[in-house]
Amino acid sequence: NAGVTQTPKFRVLKTGQSMTLLCAQDMNHEYMYWYRQDPGMGLRLIHYSVGEGTTAKGEVPDGYNVSRLKKQNFLLGLESAAPSQTSVYFCASSREADYEQYFGPGTRLTVT
Amino acid sequence: AQKITQTQPGMFVQEKEAVTLDCTYDTSDPSYGLFWYKQPSSGEMIFLIYQGSYDQQNATEGRYSLNFQKARKSANLVISASQLGDSAMYFCAMREDGGSYIPTFGRGTSLIVHP
Repeated sequence: NAGVTQTPKFRVLKTGQSMTLLCAQDMNHEYMYWYRQDPGMGLRLIHYSVGEGTTAKGEVPDGYNVSRLKKQNFLLGLESAAPSQTSVYFCASSREADYEQYFGPGTRLTVT
Repeated sequence: AQKITQTQPGMFVQEKEAVTLDCTYDTSDPSYGLFWYKQPSSGEMIFLIYQGSYDQQNATEGRYSLNFQKARKSANLVISASQLGDSAMYFCAMREDGGSYIPTFGRGTSLIVHP
């Protein structure tokens, strides 16, 4: 099992460009999450999904969109990147809400 | 107000000694769960231990134990016999069962283990 994988691992964008981060899990988990991690801020939830075809906003959703068309994939989109979106992005999944989360390796995004 | 507070930005411990990382939480929900995760310098987040609010005993997983004091709303992580590989960031998280069930994370504590 690969667990949770994220693509790409690193990316540099110019302000205004768009991109999609892909998260995939092979554990048949229902719940998937996107977090951003900034120095001194811990993990902040951007969006999450409680099952295929569902999405919900987290703590910091502005500037991001998500889709969960297949159970194993959770996509995070930035339509018009801003320097404030420079961060490390983590995807996670869990069997259900009350189980521990499994995290991907992270994507380091820099917006110039 | 923060739901999870980790007041120690950095901690140092000698190899083979025990160390306690503090975590306090704020909730009015009677049913909740508490998690600890480790993030080494390589960046991945690793689940360590879980404590449910109704669990009668403190959770233990190998060298990790959770000192759960419900009345004080604290869920401190105790690492016994520290190893150099324990050097990492440690995050406390809480899930409230009366809400969305989605965990909220603290800001983390950096632990450095000295030889």
